[in-house]
Amino acid sequence: GAGVSQSPSNKVTEKGKDVELRCDPISGHTALYWYRQSLGQGLEFLIYFQGNSAPDKSGLPSDRFSAERTGGSVSTLTIQRTQQEDSAVYLCASSLGPGQGQEYFGPGTRLTVT
Amino acid sequence: DAKTTQPTSMDCAEGRAANLPCNHSTISGNEYVYWYRQIHSQGPQYIIHGLKNNETNEMASLIITEDRKSSTLILPHATLRDTAVYYCIVRVDGTGGFKTIFGAGTRLFVKA
Repeated sequence: GAGVSQSPSNKVTEKGKDVELRCDPISGHTALYWYRQSLGQGLEFLIYFQGNSAPDKSGLPSDRFSAERTGGSVSTLTIQRTQQEDSAVYLCASSLGPGQGQEYFGPGTRLTVT
Repeated sequence: DAKTTQPTSMDCAEGRAANLPCNHSTISGNEYVYWYRQIHSQGPQYIIHGLKNNETNEMASLIITEDRKSSTLILPHATLRDTAVYYCIVRVDGTGGFKTIFGAGTRLFVKA
């Protein structure tokens, strides 16, 4: 079946511009996660959604970052006034529920801020 | 911070078993051990997980010590395509409001 999809696969933007990254989780998965991976680094947790509960935003690095999940499905990660240090691969993952089994990761969106 | 420690890198000859260790000395009784891997330019891929018993699937085996303070992921016959970064993670299953903390992982190089 279909896995987690993300769009765009690559995004180049100028410093100071806003960007939106999209994640389509696996159908029926109630948990959705965003991670960031800078070049050569491990995964950095950003935000976690579970059903209709308030999201865990504890990993968001600054107030320029926000995310929403509409209808318990698609999620959008928004970065306002992008900075060069925001350049990274942004990964989305989903799972059946909070901690239920493994997370399925999407291919990621490679963001480059020039 | 990640609750696990792993070697930074390891080498393995193609066709031989790759044994990747992980230390999780502060693991709680209800925390599972999960392993993922990340092949270059791809999203992480689930491999296997376990609580206290050894586990085996089509990809790998997971050996957890009796005191659960460490574990070993075994790839029985490593191939060149197994070259990747392997992440060992501990987390609680079946509860809400958690986040998976990934450490730096072990970079496994499988050599011909």
